[in-house]
Amino acid sequence: ILNVEQSPQSLHVQEGDSTNFTCSFPSSNFYALHWYRWETAKSPEALFVMTLNGDEKKKGRISATLNTKEGYSYLYIKGSQPEDSATYLCAFLGGGTSYGKLTFGQGTILTVHP
Amino acid sequence: EAQVTQNPRYLITVTGKKLTVTCSQNMNHEYMSWYRQDPGLGLRQIYYSMNVEVTDKGDVPEGYKVSRKEKRNFPLILESPSPNQTSLYFCASSLIGNEQFFGPGTRLTVL
Repeated sequence: ILNVEQSPQSLHVQEGDSTNFTCSFPSSNFYALHWYRWETAKSPEALFVMTLNGDEKKKGRISATLNTKEGYSYLYIKGSQPEDSATYLCAFLGGGTSYGKLTFGQGTILTVHP
Repeated sequence: EAQVTQNPRYLITVTGKKLTVTCSQNMNHEYMSWYRQDPGLGLRQIYYSMNVEVTDKGDVPEGYKVSRKEKRNFPLILESPSPNQTSLYFCASSLIGNEQFFGPGTRLTVL
């Protein structure tokens, strides 16, 4: 089983703070790295799919970067709002003989206090 | 409306009684997958399918079967459920390599 790790496990911030999380994944046999946002009592929803080393993607106040050579991705939230409270998941999609196998990290639980 | 549907949404059953959880998507996606979510363990992939009649094991396939006879459907079969299969199950679909679209989840309790 591949090792995909997210840190921190949980995070409490105040409204307006900017924050970031880390996802570490194997640096070999890389195909793509996914980020999902998962609100309580709902289903995960995709934020980004990143495939190229050095990729940077942005959606509103949320952005992500990717370093495939060293095996990490950062997710940034600028000016956190209470509605950003959710679990943020990353998932590693390997290539080669493992193509199609998606391994998720355990997630970072973000709580934004008003 | 583009969606992934799962049925049932909630199920309480007893050990050993075969059950099937259905999953259907209307987006013509080649890729479909099943996950289970357990506290502290995140989402773990059970099985995935890259296309009709093509299925592969994920990280936790033991005790589960799947089939992909049609592109839109990907049922999850528990031939002899056990209490350790009590979990929240998600089905998802996508174009290969792209973002996953998740179903609403099925909460299964095996007594």
